[in-house]
Amino acid sequence: QVQLVESGGGVVQPGRSLRLSCAASGFTFSNYAMHWVRQAPGKGLEWVAVVSSDRSTKQYADSVRGRFTISRDNSKNTLYQQMDSLRVEDTAVYFCARGGSTSWNYFEYWGQGILVTVSS
Amino acid sequence: EIVMTQSPATLSVSPGERATLSCRASQSVSSNLAWYQQKPGQAPRLLIYGTSTRATGIPGRFSGSGSGTEFTLTISSLQSEDFAVYYCQQYNNWPLTFGGGTKVEIK
Repeated sequence: QVQLVESGGGVVQPGRSLRLSCAASGFTFSNYAMHWVRQAPGKGLEWVAVVSSDRSTKQYADSVRGRFTISRDNSKNTLYQQMDSLRVEDTAVYFCARGGSTSWNYFEYWGQGILVTVSS
Repeated sequence: EIVMTQSPATLSVSPGERATLSCRASQSVSSNLAWYQQKPGQAPRLLIYGTSTRATGIPGRFSGSGSGTEFTLTISSLQSEDFAVYYCQQYNNWPLTFGGGTKVEIK
């Protein structure tokens, strides 16, 4: 079965960096686009970034463009997100999600999420 | 950016009753609309994509309809496990955007 397991979260001071990872299994990782979606405490869902299956295309939400970098290693079945210049408003649970079977851009499977807290 | 607006914010329904959730897009998203269910402390789960196609393993009591800017998720007979927050999401344009959610609670 499809499994997505995030890691790398924690507490970090504003302005610092953090790298999230998402280990995928149960499907052919290199065939699917992968996304990060976040949810601030008590709030709704916000799409953050996507990388295409072959790494050729990346898109970002305006709120993170220039600070976050999404990447993937298809040989390791792993998705990454480098988060630089973190802000208090980046505090959220971050989910990795697999793109859909018929379109990149809905979220067919989700990880359990990892909490990132940005606080001084 | 396409703004997705869900209504109502909270829906109080008795078990066994029908629930109708609405989602409106600020501009046409064609049929590129998905619905998710989220329970407290859990990741969202895909229910519907392409406006009306149920995802794998989703019971038939969930159905989606609409096109363009107006969409509906219907739960024909609410079960105890259906009380949750529901989000719509458009994937017609970047950035991908979600509605604010509808909480379905027990009446």
